[in-house]
Amino acid sequence: GENVEQHPSTLSVQEGDSAVIKCTYSDSASNYFPWYKQELGKGPQLIIDIRSNVGEKKDQRIAVTLNKTAKHFSLHITETQPEDSAVYFCAASRAVNAGNMLTFGGGTRLMVKP
Amino acid sequence: GAGVSQTPSNKVTEKGKYVELRCDPISGHTALYWYRQSLGQGPEFLIYFQGTGAADDSGLPNDRFFAVRPEGSVSTLKIQRTERGDSAVYLCASSWDMWTNYGYTFGSGTRLTVV
Repeated sequence: GENVEQHPSTLSVQEGDSAVIKCTYSDSASNYFPWYKQELGKGPQLIIDIRSNVGEKKDQRIAVTLNKTAKHFSLHITETQPEDSAVYFCAASRAVNAGNMLTFGGGTRLMVKP
Repeated sequence: GAGVSQTPSNKVTEKGKYVELRCDPISGHTALYWYRQSLGQGPEFLIYFQGTGAADDSGLPNDRFFAVRPEGSVSTLKIQRTERGDSAVYLCASSWDMWTNYGYTFGSGTRLTVV
């Protein structure tokens, strides 16, 4: 089955700096890669996703890049703010025939210091 | 409803007891998913439904776990003879259907503690 690894497990940045979180996956058939933000006591919230037919996607301060050959994808947050502090999860899915069952990475705790 | 609703938000039960966890998906979402999240880890897939039928239950850890969705909306996750290792946050999510790559919407979860 799919295996997703995520690094780093914790990341501390100064407000205004950029943050990068990286994930690798094992199943070359995976074609959908969402990122979730989870705040304390809440469920994960989808913040951005990318499909395997594109290499990069951007939404304001957040961007995701995908390298299918190397089987890795990354989340980039620019101009970080204290409210970006949370746990971030990457995930991968074969989708469609596999019912969009997600395999999650272990999470990255991002701390943005004001 | 506006979001995925899970009840109860917290459940403490004694080892060996039976528990039911409820999920109300977003209205119109036909796909429903259950995940389990242990402390400090990412969510792990348990089961998903398309309509009333369980399309894939390969993530259920053993036969003490069972889930139903009799009318294609509300789902109940049932755990028999609970063990301390079942303690975790149980997350429910829904999406429009299982064939498109739309992101899930998760509920806030039920924190189950088995003492």
